Amino acid sequence: GAGVSQTPSNKVTEKGKYVELRCDPISGHTALYWYRQSLGQGPEFLIYFQGTGAADDSGLPNDRFFAVRPEGSVSTLKIQRTERGDSAVYLCASRLPGQDPDTQYFGPGTRLTVL
Amino acid sequence: AQSVTQPDIHITVSEGASLELRCNYSYGATPYLFWYVQSPGQGLQLLLKYFSGDTLVQGIKGFEAEFKRSQSSFNLRKPSVHWSDAAEYFCAVGNQAGTALIFGKGTTLSVSS
Repeated sequence: GAGVSQTPSNKVTEKGKYVELRCDPISGHTALYWYRQSLGQGPEFLIYFQGTGAADDSGLPNDRFFAVRPEGSVSTLKIQRTERGDSAVYLCASRLPGQDPDTQYFGPGTRLTVL
Repeated sequence: AQSVTQPDIHITVSEGASLELRCNYSYGATPYLFWYVQSPGQGLQLLLKYFSGDTLVQGIKGFEAEFKRSQSSFNLRKPSVHWSDAAEYFCAVGNQAGTALIFGKGTTLSVSS
């Protein structure tokens, strides 16, 4: 079946602009995660949704970052007033709770470049 | 604090030689342990996972890993490396609740002919 998809694959923007990154999870997966991967680093957790609600947003670095999942499927990560330090690959993952074993399946990521 | 350490930033192995990638973790509860591989331009692909039971787990592409609680380690091994194994490898730790994974910084594997 189809895996996790993310759009766009690449996004170049200017400092101060607003961006939206989209994630389509695997069909039926109720848990959804956003991670950020900076160059030379492992992925770092941003936010976790269970259904429509954010179960854990402790990884969001500041209030410029926001994510929604209004219908419990597609999620959008929104970044306001982008800064050069926001440049990274943003990864989305989904999971089917209760599935044995509980495993997160990752999308290909969106590479964000802030000029 | 919870953390994952991958001591080797970059490893080069000859094709056909054996491979071991190290992973140490610090986690207060019973860890769920994962190894993921990331090829250039690709997403993270799960190689194998350990939750409980037999401490030697088999994964895809001929990889295996051994959980050693006394050493807080979960090292990845492969008996014979192929050129297509060149990629970045990440060790990660999670929990039963399925909350955030904590990743190591990764090990880049190069394969020489």
